[in-house]
Amino acid sequence: EDKVVQSPLSLVVHEGDTVTLNCSYEVTNFRSLLWYKQEKKAPTFLFMLTSSGIEKKSGRLSSILDKKELSSILNITATQTGDSAIYLCAVNDYKLSFGAGTTVTVRA
Amino acid sequence: DAGVTQSPTHLIKTRGQQVTLRCSPKSGHDTVSWYQQALGQGPQFIFQYYEEEERQRGNFPDRFSGHQFPNYSSELNVNALLLGDSALYLCASTTRDRRFTNEKLFFGSGTQLSVL
Repeated sequence: EDKVVQSPLSLVVHEGDTVTLNCSYEVTNFRSLLWYKQEKKAPTFLFMLTSSGIEKKSGRLSSILDKKELSSILNITATQTGDSAIYLCAVNDYKLSFGAGTTVTVRA
Repeated sequence: DAGVTQSPTHLIKTRGQQVTLRCSPKSGHDTVSWYQQALGQGPQFIFQYYEEEERQRGNFPDRFSGHQFPNYSSELNVNALLLGDSALYLCASTTRDRRFTNEKLFFGSGTQLSVL
């Protein structure tokens, strides 16, 4: 059975801090890894990673995949209160298998 | 442009009852997937519908069934409800060319189901 583990489960930071979220996986047929941000209810797409070592960036967020270590990290720099959310990692083997998420709380 | 819409937003049922949840995909999307998200957990894949047929299914019992209509909207039906079925049910849509990559999957805000 596919397995996706995220760490930490939760963290609290202050505005301006940098956070690093981890995702490790064990899947049968890896095709890609995706990151989502879930505020309130609907997850919204952040990144899709397919190749090792290639960093994807969007503003203050960046992510990289390590297929040798079966893991990915999501970095958020200069955090803002609007970054408070649950960050979900999912692995795609034709269907998405999600981790339990990391709850990030950014305090002003 | 409306995104993915789900109804109802909240629902309370008792054990043994049956429930139907509804989803309208984002405009231009023809593939719909359903996910169950229990409290404190990530979403779990239930099934995917494309061209009015179930194409993929996750590890859920036959009590969970679905349907897709010619206008691409979809229903999720759950029979013989159990307390453990209490969860947020998310619908997600995409286009046929992305139904395997799951790239740019758009999620609705979900239906919160409580089973008492």
